[in-house]
Amino acid sequence: LAKTTQPISMDSYEGQEVNITCSHNNIATNDYITWYQQFPSQGPRFIIQGYKTKVTNEVASLFIPADRKSSTLSLPRVSLSDTAVYYCLVGGRTDKLIFGTGTRLQVFP
Amino acid sequence: EPEVTQTPSHQVTQMGQEVILRCVPISNHLYFYWYRQILGQKVEFLVSFYNNEISEKSEIFDDQFSVERPDGSNFTLKIRSTKLEDSAMYFCASISHAGAQSNTQYFGPGTRLTVL
Repeated sequence: LAKTTQPISMDSYEGQEVNITCSHNNIATNDYITWYQQFPSQGPRFIIQGYKTKVTNEVASLFIPADRKSSTLSLPRVSLSDTAVYYCLVGGRTDKLIFGTGTRLQVFP
Repeated sequence: EPEVTQTPSHQVTQMGQEVILRCVPISNHLYFYWYRQILGQKVEFLVSFYNNEISEKSEIFDDQFSVERPDGSNFTLKIRSTKLEDSAMYFCASISHAGAQSNTQYFGPGTRLTVL
């Protein structure tokens, strides 16, 4: 299972775009890249998943370069409710998820 | 949208007592997981379960822990003799099947276990 590295914390203001980059230098061919969001005392919530290039859904975009050794989660126009911990994980289809400490995003008014 | 549910939301127990945490995974899912998160710490993998047997377990998942899928819907985690250090949030998760294009694990809301 590939290890991931992401910033411990980030600050932003409402309405700004937030980009959180994660490095996963040892990603395997069959690994997917998945991002989760977690609020205090709640379960991790799936945000977005990708394998290569760019993926977009209603809440975020995920940019993955050709070498797949990193990925960037982009949250457009954040609000106060986006204050949470964001986790980047890589793994195969049924692999256990290995959570790191994540990135604690604080959004200010 | 289908979701994973867990009961109870909060369980308080005395040290040495047995507890059973219950989960109802998404109905067509076949792979099931338990994770725990001690307050202020990382989410930790406990065990994965497929085809009515454990497929992988962590070092945390020792003999005091067991899992079961007693019927077609419930997935339970039993802690036989709770210890103070078992106090944590316990999350259940599930995914559909290995043939799926992705491995998105969907998490339940968690059970907060407090051992006194």
